[in-house]
Amino acid sequence: SYELTQPPSVSVSPGQTARITCSGDALPKKYAYWYQQKSGQAPVLVIYEDSKRPSGIPERFSGSSSGTMATLTISGAQVEDEADYYCYSTDSSGNHRGVFGTGTKVTVL
Amino acid sequence: EVQLVQSGAEVKKPGESLKISCKGSGYSFTSYWIGWVRQMPGKGLEWMGIIYPGDSDTRYSPSFQGQVTISADKSISTAYLQWSSLKASDTAMYYCARQDSSSSKIDYWGQGTLVTVSS
Repeated sequence: SYELTQPPSVSVSPGQTARITCSGDALPKKYAYWYQQKSGQAPVLVIYEDSKRPSGIPERFSGSSSGTMATLTISGAQVEDEADYYCYSTDSSGNHRGVFGTGTKVTVL
Repeated sequence: EVQLVQSGAEVKKPGESLKISCKGSGYSFTSYWIGWVRQMPGKGLEWMGIIYPGDSDTRYSPSFQGQVTISADKSISTAYLQWSSLKASDTAMYYCARQDSSSSKIDYWGQGTLVTVSS
């Protein structure tokens, strides 16, 4: 079955840049989406269609995609950005079957 | 305001059946997919499947095909996730989420339903 692979953890100091990668074979043809999940809460969409930011999401969150890798960048990470981050996409079957990435724990300290 | 409100936490025994719900409001319920996502304790998000309430078209992840049933009643704007025989390994938080019909964007989430299966 289709898989999206992320690094298990990323650590940054406040104000530094955090980059989270997501690797998947179908990403050249399918959009990547990024979700932030804080402890005990439902996920929140932070980036959609590779690089678009929903209203209300701080500008420090940005996304890009090239080939089989999508990247979420947090520029000037804040303590409140500490959370789990998941990429999401669909497989190449065209049947709307989704898959989440393995998840990345971002620590800001 | 778009809202997805899920049914409350459940405690069940192995072998029992269960149906949890997700009620949508604030948008056209029949024009968006509703998906279900599992999160086992301390683990990541797993996409289980989706349903299009407009015509009940349903798609499952291969990992969950045959293990659960997704359904919807568009007359009351509610989607369901059900099990016929629960296992201890079904213990998890289950989220419903709205998915755009023209893209794959999941933009709104329910608050989650905690299912605990224990003898």
